Amino acid sequence: DIQMTQSPSSLSASVGDRVTITCRASQSVSSYLNWYQQKPGKAPKLLIYAASSLQSGVPSRFSGSGSGTDFNLSISSLQPEDFAIYYCQQSFSTPRTFGQGTNLEIK
Amino acid sequence: EVELVESGGNLVQPGGSLRLSCAASGFTFTNFNMNWVRQAPGKGLECVSYISDSSNVIYYAESVRGRFTVSRDNAKNSLYLQMNSLRAEDTAVYFCVREFRYGSGWRSGALDIWGQGTMVAVSS
Repeated sequence: DIQMTQSPSSLSASVGDRVTITCRASQSVSSYLNWYQQKPGKAPKLLIYAASSLQSGVPSRFSGSGSGTDFNLSISSLQPEDFAIYYCQQSFSTPRTFGQGTNLEIK
Repeated sequence: EVELVESGGNLVQPGGSLRLSCAASGFTFTNFNMNWVRQAPGKGLECVSYISDSSNVIYYAESVRGRFTVSRDNAKNSLYLQMNSLRAEDTAVYFCVREFRYGSGWRSGALDIWGQGTMVAVSS
């Protein structure tokens, strides 16, 4: 199975900050990398697919980049509603595997 | 409105069985591959199973292979997960999830519509 490792595991930031979360795959997944946001007690929400494509309805302050084994999710100016857990997921092979999550908290 | 609604979660003893169901509405169910994703309390996400639109391709996570069986009934717009020989480590919220295909090829998929989840607790 392809292992997905996110860093950091937790991150404290303030409203208006720019933050970047990193996801590393144990082998190349090309651009088959998706990002999700999950808030407490809710199902995850798709933010970015194919490494850099913004899902419909997702604010443009979210962006994704990378290919191969190294990927980033960036949020350009944090809003109060952005504090949540973020997961990366590869769809290059089965089983589809997720990173362990990054908990973005308010500083 | 596009919606997935899971049911069937419950408290069950180790070694027992459960059948989860997922009712889809608001979209053409037969056009989409589907997944079951679970989340143990306070933990991350795990893809448990995948079934293609016509049921000709099915995958399972190693942790459930041989114990869980995924199926679908396109005439009823429904997805199922039969879970046998349940263990304590199967305790989780189980989400029914649609896979959105953004390009050609089976790799071009992302999980765009999620149900609210159904809780499975395995304990004596």
